[in-house]
Amino acid sequence: DGGITQSPKYLFRKEGQNVTLSCEQNLNHDAMYWYRQDPGQGLRLIYYSQIVNDFQKGDIAEGYSVSREKKESFPLTVTSAQKNPTAFYLCASSDGTGLNIQYFGAGTRLSVL
Amino acid sequence: GNSVTQMEGPVTLSEEAFLTINCTYTATGYPSLFWYVQYPGEGLQLLLKATKADDKGSNKGFEATYRKETTSFHLEKGSVQVSDSAVYFCALSGDTGFQKLVFGTGTRLLVSP
Repeated sequence: DGGITQSPKYLFRKEGQNVTLSCEQNLNHDAMYWYRQDPGQGLRLIYYSQIVNDFQKGDIAEGYSVSREKKESFPLTVTSAQKNPTAFYLCASSDGTGLNIQYFGAGTRLSVL
Repeated sequence: GNSVTQMEGPVTLSEEAFLTINCTYTATGYPSLFWYVQYPGEGLQLLLKATKADDKGSNKGFEATYRKETTSFHLEKGSVQVSDSAVYFCALSGDTGFQKLVFGTGTRLLVSP
């Protein structure tokens, strides 16, 4: 089945620790995205990538980093500089053309210990 | 810049009631409009879309009409079910170049038997 796989489903971070969230897609999409979702708020864009080896900051990139070394993969690292990391993180992908419809993974819930 | 405004929730209805969730937007040009749905603990799924004025998107009994004169894209369903309980997001994308999605804050729908 084609789709977007995010792992792990739940993740816990200790103070001062960097953690990495995985996102893999087999839809052959060029573009990938990371969003953060907080209770009662909409989705806020962290980073996006239109093509392999290229990515741009979204609206709330501080304290996060990404890489795009393969078309299928777009991992997100939540660094220790992100002081309020507790949130639901969603990865999405799109073909990057025309209507550019985004398809989403099931999400990773990150909590701080 | 582009923006989307949704009615605040939660919207609480009894089964078989009529549903309306209001969505208005601000955008230049001719954006495409979307409704996404998020079931508890899951990612977002595309529910319906419309790409030009007076288009009606429809899916699973839900409908929304692209009204350029009122810059609106209200979501409606004639008879809701308990299984429709979820968070609904209105979103838009612009009409030139590579476009990111701009989301509303989401509206939670609770349907009771």
